[in-house]
Amino acid sequence: GQNIDQPTEMTATEGAIVQINCTYQTSGFNGLFWYQQHAGEAPTFLSYNVLDGLEEKGRFSSFLSRSKGYSYLLLKELQMKDSASYLCAVRGGDSGGYQKVTFGTGTKLQVIP
Amino acid sequence: GAVVSQHPSWVICKSGTSVKIECRSLDFQATTMFWYRQFPKQSLMLMATSNEGSKATYEQGVEKDKFLINHASLTLSTLTVTSAHPEDSSFYICSAREFVTYNEQFFGPGTRLTVL
Repeated sequence: GQNIDQPTEMTATEGAIVQINCTYQTSGFNGLFWYQQHAGEAPTFLSYNVLDGLEEKGRFSSFLSRSKGYSYLLLKELQMKDSASYLCAVRGGDSGGYQKVTFGTGTKLQVIP
Repeated sequence: GAVVSQHPSWVICKSGTSVKIECRSLDFQATTMFWYRQFPKQSLMLMATSNEGSKATYEQGVEKDKFLINHASLTLSTLTVTSAHPEDSSFYICSAREFVTYNEQFFGPGTRLTVL
């Protein structure tokens, strides 16, 4: 199976930088995703990593280390609207070829003035 | 970007009735659609994966006779919760994936089901 671990809650100040970590264990790793989910809404896609390294997209960056089973999402220049849950999701599966995306429990980020 | 719609956005029903939720990809052909359930303050739990024209693959612990999934076309999948009970009350979210943008799932806005 797949196991994903991320902090439950974080608080950061408007304008600051915050890093949300995610560790995972899976067989047949085939990609890691980050999603943003506001309360009562569906998730929206932020980033996808399948190779080691940093992917930058505007104020958001995502890093992956496959050997360590570790990723982080970096949010810069925090805005109040960034207050949301951030979900780490891993695609993996068995050798039979069936792969699925499993979501972590999410990190609830609160941005304060 | 790709848009996925869900209908209804919320539904309240009596225990024992069946509820159908529709998921549509509006501007792309969804070769694969996924159905998730999310309980309050918990993460998304994959219920099933469906490919157009074939039977859905259900996750372990999900009753396929209770949660009927039909993916009859490349733009529509339906989830029917049969004989709903209060414990089925949840937020149901579908997502769709097209062949070209394989790495990205586009999520619908979700359907909040409340069973009385």
